[in-house]
Amino acid sequence: DADVTQTPRNRITKTGKRIMLECSQTKGHDRMYWYRQDPGLGLQLIYYSFDVKDINKGEISDGYSVSRQAQAKFSLSLESAIPNQTALYFCATKLGHTGELFFGEGSRLTVL
Amino acid sequence: QKEVEQDPGPLSVPEGAIVSLNCTYSNSAFQYFMWYRQYSRKGPELLMYTYSSGNKEDGRFTAQVDKSSKYISLFIRDSQPSDSATYLCAMSLGGGATNKLIFGTGTLLAVQP
Repeated sequence: DADVTQTPRNRITKTGKRIMLECSQTKGHDRMYWYRQDPGLGLQLIYYSFDVKDINKGEISDGYSVSRQAQAKFSLSLESAIPNQTALYFCATKLGHTGELFFGEGSRLTVL
Repeated sequence: QKEVEQDPGPLSVPEGAIVSLNCTYSNSAFQYFMWYRQYSRKGPELLMYTYSSGNKEDGRFTAQVDKSSKYISLFIRDSQPSDSATYLCAMSLGGGATNKLIFGTGTLLAVQP
């Protein structure tokens, strides 16, 4: 099983719908991140969390919210999805200040 | 101007070729430089990690940082079809400042058998 698991791997939804992407990890890492990847734009940080009570906005947090339900779980929500949120979303984890960033396999979201 | 510029490719080379992948950056305060490899339908994985200027070698891979020119490179010797992937450069102001990790857009590499 993957150390960083994202669900769903693929989702097609309609404009205005609420969608949640979930991430769970078995690595025991304290820090968790949500990135978005778009062709020509690279990876952009949406939100990050250093522990359950510490949530921070990244570069492109507008239109997104997150919840750190436990050290191992970090979910990303789109309250009212719009077409320009169509992208590949990655969850990542890291141990402490200087650890390596480990990515999940991605969740492909299409908003029609 | 983007903080990190990377040629998107695609770059197609024959098996056994030496591959050179490059990124330029504008922020002279970047100190930590990374290369990630991303296979199709997978998440990025860390390939090389370098602090400040100089070279770092790991098997067929060499990472090179030239801070005076704000230019980093990844060289792949004796390239293999299994090296076909997208290569992302990334850099940060401090080793622990992953919240400030800035990625390039990635270069798609295809190694032809």
